[in-house]
Amino acid sequence: QSALTQPRSVSGSPGQSVTISCTGTSSDVGGYNFVSWYQQHPGKAPQLMIYDVNKRPSGVPGRFSGSKSGNTASLTISGLQSEDEANYYCCSYAGTYTYVFGTGTTVIVL
Amino acid sequence: QVQLQQWGAGLLKPSETLSLTCAVHGGSFSGYYWIWIRQPPGKGLEWIGEINHTGITNYNPSLESRVTTSVDTSKNQLSLKLTSVTAADTAVYYCARVGGNWFAPWGQGTLVTVSS
Repeated sequence: QSALTQPRSVSGSPGQSVTISCTGTSSDVGGYNFVSWYQQHPGKAPQLMIYDVNKRPSGVPGRFSGSKSGNTASLTISGLQSEDEANYYCCSYAGTYTYVFGTGTTVIVL
Repeated sequence: QVQLQQWGAGLLKPSETLSLTCAVHGGSFSGYYWIWIRQPPGKGLEWIGEINHTGITNYNPSLESRVTTSVDTSKNQLSLKLTSVTAADTAVYYCARVGGNWFAPWGQGTLVTVSS
């Protein structure tokens, strides 16, 4: 079970959009519509931002959206704000009651 | 609103057993799976294993030989034990509720350091 591949960092100015990719295989990301995304500020526990590829939990701002194409899932933050600077992790169901996380991406707000 | 509070020993010597507990407050305990996840300092997240209120478990194959999880439904608590720890097990350990195939909410995290 290898970690899903994410870019180490992405950056953007306030108001811009950034997209984080999460690449796996047909055994995880590509095989199920069970990708979730977590935001983690330094020293804090992760927080769910997107589940089931593109669903937003109540309380998560509408500027966060998710999508998937083949073996790659993506998280887009539109209208970037300073408080969005954090680490982001994707996670996918990988069959047989197992999960795999991504390597993590740092979003930098310029 | 569901809140998870966790605790356990923060400093262990190599070969000892890690033991953590997570209490669930303000919500249903039964009917959900509960998961343990860890994060080595400065690194990413790793799924350890999950358990439901009847004690059905699923473990990460890479840790399965050393991991045991249990529940105490009378106290709405779940526990994690990891045997024969090494420095590679140094991490912040989190508990979280499993909803479908996603995890929320999370406990506050417990830093466990393994050092001689």
